[in-house]
Parts: sequence; C-alpha cells; structure tokens
Amino acid sequence: SAVISQKPSRDICQRGTSLTIQCQVDSQVTMMFWYRQQPGQSLTLIATANQGSEATYESGFVIDKFPISRPNLTFSTLTVSNMSPEDSSIYLCSVSYRDRDGYTFGSGTRLTVV
Amino acid sequence: GENVEQHPSTLSVQEGDSAVIKCTYSDSASNYFPWYKQELGKGPQLIIDIRSNVGEKKDQRIAVTLNKTAKHFSLHITETQPEDSAVYFCAASILTGNQFYFGTGTSLTVIP
Repeated sequence: SAVISQKPSRDICQRGTSLTIQCQVDSQVTMMFWYRQQPGQSLTLIATANQGSEATYESGFVIDKFPISRPNLTFSTLTVSNMSPEDSSIYLCSVSYRDRDGYTFGSGTRLTVV
Repeated sequence: GENVEQHPSTLSVQEGDSAVIKCTYSDSASNYFPWYKQELGKGPQLIIDIRSNVGEKKDQRIAVTLNKTAKHFSLHITETQPEDSAVYFCAASILTGNQFYFGTGTSLTVIP
C-alpha cells in the first residue's frame, strides 16, 4: 500500500502566524485531498489539491486562509494562514488511486494555536 | 448533498463479544461505503469497504452489511480484542466523484 509522509507531525504556533504542512507520497496518485479533523469530531474536506492548477475548495474554506500547492503527482502542501485558536485541529492529507477504491490517509498534523 | 449519520457515538464491549456500528445515508446515488479505523495519534486506516452491488462482505473478524432500500450499512466486529479499541468512521461516496461524506465516528473500547 502507499506510504504517505506528512510533516510536521505536530506543532504549537502563535496566533497570527502561518504553518505549512507537507504531504509526500511514495508513488503517483490520482487525487490528493486535505481534511481537517477538529478535536473529537469527524473529518471535513478542506479542498482537493489539483496538480498544476488551483485547488478546489469546499464550502466554508477559502484560498486566502488555506493556500494549497501541488507541483507534481506525489507532493502537496497546505498552509494554514493567519492562525487563530479556532484553527487548532488535526490536518490530514489523503490520496486516492485509479486502480483501487477508498482513500489512504497520512498520519496527520496536530496543530495547536496559542 | 449526502448526510451520513453514525450510531452509537461510544461503545464498550467485553473482550470476545461482538460490536456493531450502524450508519445511515441520505443520497441514493451513493454507491461506495468504506469503514475507517483511527487509533490515537494516527490517521484513519481503511479496514473494509463495500460497493452497492453487494449486500455483505467479510474479512476475518470484520464484516459489513448494506441495505440499499433502507439506506443503511453496518460494521460488525466479532471476537473483539483490546487492539480493536479505536474510533471507527463510516463514509459514503459516489465512486466517480471526489467527495467522501464521513459519519461522526464511534469510539469503541474493548474491555479485557
């Protein structure tokens, strides 16, 4: 199965700053996604990372707050900008493959904003 | 859009007993239903899935059943073990689409 490396695994950040999370996959994938999981909650899709073009954002999420890059088929970044305590969550990268169902998730980035 | 409800939110069972988690969905176009297990500090892991053309699927101690008419599907874990303790999420999607709709999760505790 795919190996997804997500960095950092956790961070504590000051409000007003930004954090960039990296997702590296060991093989080419069809789709890459970014999810947010607030404490004790379910998973909410932030956006689909499109290779070579702007990401597709879900309702409630905007590019200025969560800029996403995907320069190639195996790598993506999510930036959480101008952070506030409400941004404290686990951020998860996930990928899908053309020849199999389901998503594979990274181990997540646990972000705490103080 | 799709709405997935999951019950119960917490479940405690004795080791060796069975555990059942139930989900309902609202969009009859959904045709793929995965289940994920999330252990503390880790990302969700796919444990079993089912397509809408199948009523039941088994993999060792876990099984999933699907009732398309009633729009509900369930996860069954038999002979539970302490390592089954985790949060379980159901999801529904359309295979040709991108969006997975997740349930709210069930925290399963297996008591030794």
